[in-house]
Amino acid sequence: GNSVTQMEGPVTLSEEAFLTINCTYTATGYPSLFWYVQYPGEGLQLLLKATKADDKGSNKGFEATYRKETTSFHLEKGSVQVSDSAVYFCALSASGFPGGGNKLTFGTGTQLKVEL
Amino acid sequence: EAGVTQSPTHLIKTRGQQVTLRCSPISGHTSVYWYQQALGLGLQFLLWYDEGEERNRGNFPPRFSGRQFPNYSSELNVNALELEDSALYLCASSQTGTVEQFFGPGTRLTVL
Repeated sequence: GNSVTQMEGPVTLSEEAFLTINCTYTATGYPSLFWYVQYPGEGLQLLLKATKADDKGSNKGFEATYRKETTSFHLEKGSVQVSDSAVYFCALSASGFPGGGNKLTFGTGTQLKVEL
Repeated sequence: EAGVTQSPTHLIKTRGQQVTLRCSPISGHTSVYWYQQALGLGLQFLLWYDEGEERNRGNFPPRFSGRQFPNYSSELNVNALELEDSALYLCASSQTGTVEQFFGPGTRLTVL
């Protein structure tokens, strides 16, 4: 079956530090990959996505590249801010054809704390 | 454009009771997904409805059920509530043929 593995948290960084959150996956079919962010007491917000190998998703300074050869989709940001403190979820959706919709399989989430 | 809405925001039930949660998708979206976020168990897929039909179901007992209405809104029903059903229930919607799912704020269910 499909699965997503992401690094354990919490990750604590100083403001303006570089962020990497690792994510690897196992999937059949044509997986699309996502990063979602969850702020305290809220639902999930789609941060970025990539639908095929070598695609780079980016948004709000965050980026991740779909690496089929290493089955990875690591999240990076060059300079984090206190407002980036949240839980980040890596997820995949795998259907029988490219671009097809299906359920999301999530990683366990990584809590990020950014301090001044 | 309004996002995905869910109601109620919070509710408290006792063991054995039944509950109905509601979700309205983004206008133009025909697919609705339900997920459970329970403490220590992460985000688990419950149900997927598209064009009024159930397309996929997660590994949950039959007392979890739902439906999708002609206007694409959806209900999640949970019968014979158990303590471990306490969780945040998230609804998401997407357009047919696209992969992005957009989430609502969730309904926090507490079972006492």
